[in-house]
Amino acid sequence: QSALAQPASVSGSPGQSITISCTGTRSDIGSYNVVSWYQQHPGKVPKLIIFETSERPSGVSNRFSGSKSGNTASLTISGLQAEDQADYYCCSYAGSGTYLFGTGTKVTAL
Amino acid sequence: QVQLVQSGAEVKMPGSSVKVSCKTSGGTFTNYAVHWVRQAPGQGLEWMGGVIPMFGTPNYADNLQDRVTITADESTSTAYMELNSLRSEDTAVYYCARDPLDQLAPRGAFEIWGQGTSVTVSS
Repeated sequence: QSALAQPASVSGSPGQSITISCTGTRSDIGSYNVVSWYQQHPGKVPKLIIFETSERPSGVSNRFSGSKSGNTASLTISGLQAEDQADYYCCSYAGSGTYLFGTGTKVTAL
Repeated sequence: QVQLVQSGAEVKMPGSSVKVSCKTSGGTFTNYAVHWVRQAPGQGLEWMGGVIPMFGTPNYADNLQDRVTITADESTSTAYMELNSLRSEDTAVYYCARDPLDQLAPRGAFEIWGQGTSVTVSS
């Protein structure tokens, strides 16, 4: 099982929207609506920001949204802010009780 | 407020084993799965395995299943991850994370994380 593929970095100007892709296969993202996204600031514990592909936990800004098409999931950050600068990881259920994380994307606000 | 409190940092010799604990504080252990995720220095997150304490049967990542054992003790609300035959590549921060069940199946939402346990493998 290989890690899900994410771009190494994505950048945008403050106030813009950016989208991070997460590409898997028919065996993981393509088969299940069990995709989650995590935000991790340097030296900090990962934080859940999206689960079940598009659901936001209580307290997470509505500037974060998730979607899926085929074998690719996406995280969109609207109105990019300096505080959004962090690493982002997708995660998908891969069957038989197993999960796969993405390779991670570093988001920079220019 | 629910917290997952992990055991302290470890330094181990190559070939030895390490066992990390993860205790649920301020909340229930029931109706949740517990996953273990590791992060090597400067690297991404890697799912290692998980267990639903009320059922007890763990699942493991293919690349680790011959070296990792995940267990849970409902009486103390504590989960454990033991990794054997340690190599330098196992040097990482190890996290536990709680995942709520929906109709007895994990939702795949790692909603609460432990503080992380640093494991260093070095001779």
